[in-house]
Amino acid sequence: QQQVKQSPQSLIVQKGGISIINCAYENTAFDYFPWYQQFPGKGPALLIAIRPDVSEKKEGRFTISFNKSAKQFSLHIMDSQPGDSATYFCAASGGNQFYFGTGTSLTVIP
Amino acid sequence: DAGVTQSPTHLIKTRGQQVTLRCSPKSGHDTVSWYQQALGQGPQFIFQYYEEEERQRGNFPDRFSGHQFPNYSSELNVNALLLGDSALYLCASSFRRGADYGYTFGSGTRLTVV
Repeated sequence: QQQVKQSPQSLIVQKGGISIINCAYENTAFDYFPWYQQFPGKGPALLIAIRPDVSEKKEGRFTISFNKSAKQFSLHIMDSQPGDSATYFCAASGGNQFYFGTGTSLTVIP
Repeated sequence: DAGVTQSPTHLIKTRGQQVTLRCSPKSGHDTVSWYQQALGQGPQFIFQYYEEEERQRGNFPDRFSGHQFPNYSSELNVNALLLGDSALYLCASSFRRGADYGYTFGSGTRLTVV
């Protein structure tokens, strides 16, 4: 049973555009929601994370929007750049382990 | 400051064999977690080691075992390899056990079982 559902599976965006990736979860015990970026041949690297007591967190071009009542959260990448082309994973945790989504392959076209 | 170091980077094994993967945590980290990432999927939690003991385990069979040494480094052992064990094995270290304590992933070991 997938604890965290992620969509879309793949995304193609023009340079300068906005990339939006969505995730949904069921377990209300989750209290930490990070987004990871993974390049081929590398491990996931933390991009940005949020806790359920805030509805939005922004770091540079990356913003997490969090909807506690809907049990959904999303990643927005503003002014997308070709260097942002990677696979993005949402995750959730209520303790010591992460439950990851299935990933979104983002391609930013120059 | 070195991050999480994993070895080897690639490995090819035959079905039924045994394999050992190694991980050195980031400096200052004392907790090591192992994840399996199948092709095109998100990482799945195998287990976590803290104070040289397995503290939490995911939904993986007993063929998967591990060890943590006094210097916090860790090994993942997989016995009786199956074709389905082919995956990227990721080690993550953190300071203390919580998932929000600076979890840092290594680049992984790519295991291919033939």
